[in-house]
Amino acid sequence: NAGVTQTPKFQVLKTGQSMTLQCAQDMNHEYMSWYRQDPGMGLRLIHYSVGAGITDQGEVPNGYNVSRSTTEDFPLRLLSAAPSQTSVYFCASRDSGRAHTDTQYFGPGTRLTVL
Amino acid sequence: QKEVEQDPGPLSVPEGAIVSLNCTYSNSAFQYFMWYRQYSRKGPELLMYTYSSGNKEDGRFTAQVDKSSKYISLFIRDSQPSDSATYLCAMSGGHLWGGTSYGKLTFGQGTILTVHP
Repeated sequence: NAGVTQTPKFQVLKTGQSMTLQCAQDMNHEYMSWYRQDPGMGLRLIHYSVGAGITDQGEVPNGYNVSRSTTEDFPLRLLSAAPSQTSVYFCASRDSGRAHTDTQYFGPGTRLTVL
Repeated sequence: QKEVEQDPGPLSVPEGAIVSLNCTYSNSAFQYFMWYRQYSRKGPELLMYTYSSGNKEDGRFTAQVDKSSKYISLFIRDSQPSDSATYLCAMSGGHLWGGTSYGKLTFGQGTILTVHP
């Protein structure tokens, strides 16, 4: 059981380039989400998904796209990278069947620098 | 004004000290309160979880929620160097399937804690 995995761990992009951050979980969790973490800002929700084929926007969705074709995978796409997207990105998942807890399991993060 | 405010520190204490970490919030819809611990270059991991007001204890850790004051705290007794990490408070308005707050966590900025031997 690997939990939540993210690739790559580090990435440097030039302004205008596109890329996809990968996230996978093997816990059969229906709910998955992407956060970004910036100094002094805590973690902010970018997009989330409550199940395969269902996604929605979080607090800071601009510049990012997501899709959820399987329960296991939830990739995050940067269409045209900007320096403001330099951040650490975390993917998380939780079990939707547990109504009174919210244990979200986080991946190890992807450190992205946009030059 | 942010919905959740947390003093970023940094906080440096000697081993064995009692540590108090705090968050204030403005959204009265928050009902679920969590503390996450994040070691350097790692993802956050859930440390404590509390529903509504009250106290919860787990070993050396105690979480307190005062909804009337919109204030939550995490106390660490007999702090150890292994407690050195960033502590993030997080809150949510609900976890029921289909609810508008489902699964959405609002985080504080995080407090950097160092416990030195």
